[in-house]
Amino acid sequence: LAKTTQPISMDSYEGQEVNITCSHNNIATNDYITWYQQFPSQGPRFIIQGYKTKVTNEVASLFIPADRKSSTLSLPRVSLSDTAVYYCLVGDPDTGRRALTFGSGTRLQVQP
Amino acid sequence: GAGVSQSPSNKVTEKGKDVELRCDPISGHTALYWYRQSLGQGLEFLIYFQGNSAPDKSGLPSDRFSAERTGGSVSTLTIQRTQQEDSAVYLCASSPLGEGEKLFFGSGTQLSVL
Repeated sequence: LAKTTQPISMDSYEGQEVNITCSHNNIATNDYITWYQQFPSQGPRFIIQGYKTKVTNEVASLFIPADRKSSTLSLPRVSLSDTAVYYCLVGDPDTGRRALTFGSGTRLQVQP
Repeated sequence: GAGVSQSPSNKVTEKGKDVELRCDPISGHTALYWYRQSLGQGLEFLIYFQGNSAPDKSGLPSDRFSAERTGGSVSTLTIQRTQQEDSAVYLCASSPLGEGEKLFFGSGTQLSVL
């Protein structure tokens, strides 16, 4: 399975755009990229999933370059409530390549 | 509709005792996962069910850990002869067929082994 690498932590201020990049150099052709958000004392929550180019939903955008060896989660105009741990996963359950390991994630701290 | 439900939310037990943790997945979700998360750490995969079968048990840390799923729904994670290092939050997630890696998590069971 594709190993992912993310920064351990990031700091930002309210109202700023935050971009968290995940590296996955050995991503396979059929793998999808999925991001989760986890608040203290809660289970992770699905944010966004993509395969290539750009995906946008009401919460975030996901940018994936043509080589797909990395992906960037973009959170527009963060607020204090976006302080959380963000995890990147890569895998393809349809071929059995389940992305089962979440890793340590990126701890985002948003300051007032 | 209801999300993934886990019980109990907290469990305190003595070293050497057995514990059972329960997970009620979202109705209709075919896949079910168990993870463990120690304080300040990432999620450690334990086991994955597709229906009632467990094609991947590779994450179970020892033979003291077992899990079953019945009727393609409720799952129970059992830890026998608990040890202090078993203390952690145990998270359950379910996923609908064809939704890729879109997992829906419960709030977990905080297990404390004294």
